[in-house]
Amino acid sequence: AQKVTQAQTEISVVEKEDVTLDCVYETRDTTYYLFWYKQPPSGELVFLIRRNSFDEQNEISGRYSWNFQKSTSSFNFTITASQVVDSAVYFCALYCHNQGGKLIFGQGTELSVKP
Amino acid sequence: NAGVTQTPKFQVLKTGQSMTLQCAQDMNHEYMSWYRQDPGMGLRLIHYSVGAGITDQGEVPNGYNVSRSTTEDFPLRLLSAAPSQTSVYFCASSYVWRGGTEAFFGQGTRLTVV
Repeated sequence: AQKVTQAQTEISVVEKEDVTLDCVYETRDTTYYLFWYKQPPSGELVFLIRRNSFDEQNEISGRYSWNFQKSTSSFNFTITASQVVDSAVYFCALYCHNQGGKLIFGQGTELSVKP
Repeated sequence: NAGVTQTPKFQVLKTGQSMTLQCAQDMNHEYMSWYRQDPGMGLRLIHYSVGAGITDQGEVPNGYNVSRSTTEDFPLRLLSAAPSQTSVYFCASSYVWRGGTEAFFGQGTRLTVV
């Protein structure tokens, strides 16, 4: 069975702090993709990143970075120097090979960045 | 390019009423899905389709029907609305290549059943 767990329900930080959102996944497939989405207060889902199971290189995009570790089945997301505009719900998701486009989502982490 | 269009954006229903949430995509994607979002539970798959004429159940299909008569449209029908169906609904359109996928989401429909 496939599963995604985001154990942190809510996180509150003060602006300029670094924050890491945890994501742990379960799958027996060897080919899979992991995603992060952002859902701002306006409600839409914004795609942030996709990683495949064969590429464990960390990725950095501006203040965002992602740490993918197959040994611990984790795909954590770090925001450096957080800003108020980062306040949102963040979802981690898993897609397994040949699953007809179906994504399996974690429960989501609500991040609140206070000025 | 409109992407994925969901209508309506907001809806209030009385218990027992029926309605259809509309979803249309203009990207010629084979795969379309419906998810519901509830607090603390993330997005859960209701129904999905891998092409016109083909649909299948997801994790939480009870109380919902779908059909896929064209590639573009994938409506979700609530047969007899219940308060437990109060949720935010997202439609997604996806393309798949060599084991990967890219999903495009609609803006969501906030449904309240009273």
